[in-house]
Amino acid sequence: AQKVTQTQTSISVVEKTTVTMDCVYETRDSSYFLFWYKQTASGEIVFLIRQDSYKKENATVGHYSLNFQKPKSSIGLIITATQIEDSAVYFCAMRGGNNAGAKLTFGGGTRLTVRP
Amino acid sequence: GGIITQTPKFLIGQEGQKLTLKCQQNFNHDTMYWYRQDSGKGLRLIYYSITENDLQKGDLSEGYDASREKKSSFSLTVTSAQKNEMAVFLCASSIGEYNQAPLFGEGTRLSVL
Repeated sequence: AQKVTQTQTSISVVEKTTVTMDCVYETRDSSYFLFWYKQTASGEIVFLIRQDSYKKENATVGHYSLNFQKPKSSIGLIITATQIEDSAVYFCAMRGGNNAGAKLTFGGGTRLTVRP
Repeated sequence: GGIITQTPKFLIGQEGQKLTLKCQQNFNHDTMYWYRQDSGKGLRLIYYSITENDLQKGDLSEGYDASREKKSSFSLTVTSAQKNEMAVFLCASSIGEYNQAPLFGEGTRLSVL
């Protein structure tokens, strides 16, 4: 069975600094896909970035990047040069490549507050 | 561009009532999902469907039924609403390839009196 855990319930940082959010996962699949989403104050859920388990390079999109440590089953999200509008709840999610099929499992989320 | 439309946006029900939520997408996506989100919590998978007429139970399927009669639509039924229940139900869809991130609708907010 898949399981995704985000241990940090909330983080507060000063604007323009770098923040890392942790996520660990469990799966029996040899191939899988990891996603990070952002939920804004309005409730909108937006996809940010993806990591394929078979790729060694960490994914980067804009000021989002991932720290993928496969032996530790860990996929951290790094946001550089944070802005006030990055304040949101961030969710890590996993989708299996074979046994688990299309099932998409989410972690509990981390609330990020970026203050001036 | 496509859109995922959830109806209704707000739903108020009575205890014991059967309530149906609908989701439509015009992306021509194969896979659709229903999640429940309680206040301040994560998303829990209720049902998903990989194609028309397919249904797969998630971790929270008890107390719910789902239906995928067309590729573009996926409905969820709360079989017996629980008193004081409050949650947001989120629909998502994606193409069949597992590396593609599902996209989400805006949600249906349920309150049970």
